[in-house]
Amino acid sequence: AQKITQTQPGMFVQEKEAVTLDCTYDTSDPSYGLFWYKQPSSGEMIFLIYQGSYDQQNATEGRYSLNFQKARKSANLVISASQLGDSAMYFCAMREGGGAQKLVFGQGTRLTINP
Amino acid sequence: DSGVTQTPKHLITATGQRVTLRCSPRSGDLSVYWYQQSLDQGLQFLIQYYNGEERAKGNILERFSAQQFPDLHSELNLSSLELGDSALYFCASSVGTLGANVLTFGAGSRLTVL
Repeated sequence: AQKITQTQPGMFVQEKEAVTLDCTYDTSDPSYGLFWYKQPSSGEMIFLIYQGSYDQQNATEGRYSLNFQKARKSANLVISASQLGDSAMYFCAMREGGGAQKLVFGQGTRLTINP
Repeated sequence: DSGVTQTPKHLITATGQRVTLRCSPRSGDLSVYWYQQSLDQGLQFLIQYYNGEERAKGNILERFSAQQFPDLHSELNLSSLELGDSALYFCASSVGTLGANVLTFGAGSRLTVL
């Protein structure tokens, strides 16, 4: 069964610093996708970044990058130059590639950016 | 606006009652997913539909049911409600069912059972 682990319940970072949110996963399927979502206090779930298991390069989307270490089964989210608006819950999620498969979420990390 | 529309945004009801949550997927998306988010359980996958057919089932209680209609909108029916059913219910949609397909979430329906 697929499993996602986020070991940091909360993180506090100074504005403009870079921050890394940890995510490890477990799956026996060689084909899978890894996702990060942001949930601000308003409640909506916002897609940030995607990494496929066969992608050779780490995914990047603006200030977000995904540090994908396949052998270690980790998919950490890196936010560069953090901003106050980055304060939110962040969820790592995985979906196995067989089709019609559910997206499984980790427990989340609450990130607080201090001015 | 994500393009996924959920109604109602907030709902307060009593134990034992039945409610229906509605979701309109983003234009062009054929797959609809329902998730429940509660403080103690986190984000739990409930059920997935693709073009009107059930494709995957998660930890959905027997008191809960869902369907996707020919126009692709979906409804989640929650019956015999209990206090523990209070949660934020998300609908999400995607183009297809491949692992790479990104799920776009609606704003959620917050259910409070008193």
